[in-house]
Amino acid sequence: AQKVTQAQTEISVVEKEDVTLDCVYETRDTTYYLFWYKQPPSGELVFLIRRNSFDEQNEISGRYSWNFQKSTSSFNFTITASQVVDSAVYFCALSEAQGGYQKVTFGIGTKLQVIP
Amino acid sequence: GAGVSQSPRYKVAKRGQDVALRCDPISGHVSLFWYQQALGQGPEFLTYFQNEAQLDKSGLPSDRFFAERPEGSVSTLKIQRTQQEDSAVYLCASNREGRGNEKLFFGSGTQLSVL
Repeated sequence: AQKVTQAQTEISVVEKEDVTLDCVYETRDTTYYLFWYKQPPSGELVFLIRRNSFDEQNEISGRYSWNFQKSTSSFNFTITASQVVDSAVYFCALSEAQGGYQKVTFGIGTKLQVIP
Repeated sequence: GAGVSQSPRYKVAKRGQDVALRCDPISGHVSLFWYQQALGQGPEFLTYFQNEAQLDKSGLPSDRFFAERPEGSVSTLKIQRTQQEDSAVYLCASNREGRGNEKLFFGSGTQLSVL
């Protein structure tokens, strides 16, 4: 069975600090995909990034970076020089193709508050 | 449409009432998903449609929950005889084909409060 663990339920940082959101996953499949989504107060989850299980290259996009380590089943997300607009709930998700369609399991989410 | 649209945005129901939640996915998206998000939790899978076919309803919590997508576009999630434990945000998501590597496009959700 799939499982996603986000151990940090809430984090508060002061603006311009760096912050890392942790994600650990469990799966028996060899082919799977990992995602991060952002949920601002408006409620709509917004896609941030996707990695497949065969690609362990880390990725940087502006102030955002992701560290995928298969050996520890982790897919951590770092925001550099945080801003107030980064305040939101962030979800890590694991997607597998089962029976011809995707089954997505979400973590509990990490609520990030960036204080000005 | 430009994005996934859900209505109503908020719904208050008295315990025992029936409710219907609507989802209008992105035009051309074959796959449609319903999720339930309790306060402080992540989205939990309810059901999946590929066009008009409901391929997976394993996440529906009870037989009071029913979903349909009769013409392969708009979907309705119906909850009969609502209970307080049904209070949650109901999220709809869609994508082109439902493949494992596809991102989900979400609506803003319907916040259901059962009194």
